[in-house]
Amino acid sequence: AQSVSQHNHHVILSEAASLELGCNYSYGGTVNLFWYVQYPGQHLQLLLKYFSGDPLVKGIKGFEAEFIKSKFSFNLRKPSVQWSDTAEYFCAVNPGNTDKLIFGTGTRLQVFP
Amino acid sequence: SAVISQKPSRDICQRGTSLTIQCQVDSQVTMMFWYRQQPGQSLTLIATANQGSEATYESGFVIDKFPISRPNLTFSTLTVSNMSPEDSSIYLCSVEEVRGAKNIQYFGAGTRLSVL
Repeated sequence: AQSVSQHNHHVILSEAASLELGCNYSYGGTVNLFWYVQYPGQHLQLLLKYFSGDPLVKGIKGFEAEFIKSKFSFNLRKPSVQWSDTAEYFCAVNPGNTDKLIFGTGTRLQVFP
Repeated sequence: SAVISQKPSRDICQRGTSLTIQCQVDSQVTMMFWYRQQPGQSLTLIATANQGSEATYESGFVIDKFPISRPNLTFSTLTVSNMSPEDSSIYLCSVEEVRGAKNIQYFGAGTRLSVL
């Protein structure tokens, strides 16, 4: 079955630290890839997306993600986190010619000043 | 992106009752989706709701338990029927926006349901 794995369930960082959140998926065909973020008390928001082209995509608030096809990965990165980045981050995959989104289990990020 | 409004934002219900959740979009969209996010878990797709056709349910979800209506291109409802405590979850509505060949889903704020 198609699945999305986020290996980091809970990440705690100090401000200015670098961030990398892992995301791996199991689907051999063409995929569209997404990272969503849910800030405390807010709804799920799109952080960035990959459809095709340059495998390094940039999103809002200084986030970027790299699609590595050979590793079935789409890791999220930010060189220097801020306290306001405290949130839950979800990786999602849209496999093949479907409209479905398959979500990972989410990573809770806490950033301390 | 589309503005999505969900009602109610939260509710506490007694077991055996039903709750209907509304999802209103400020623009016409073809595809709408309903997800469930159980405590401590990720989002799971319940069904896809297209206007003018029956909803398509994912494995593990049935129409009798989660009937869905999609009367027009801006509105949908999800009913959680004959509720039990296991139905306590956040229920989210999403819509798909198509920009060229790129389909992106945007989400409502969700309905937090607690079943006693």
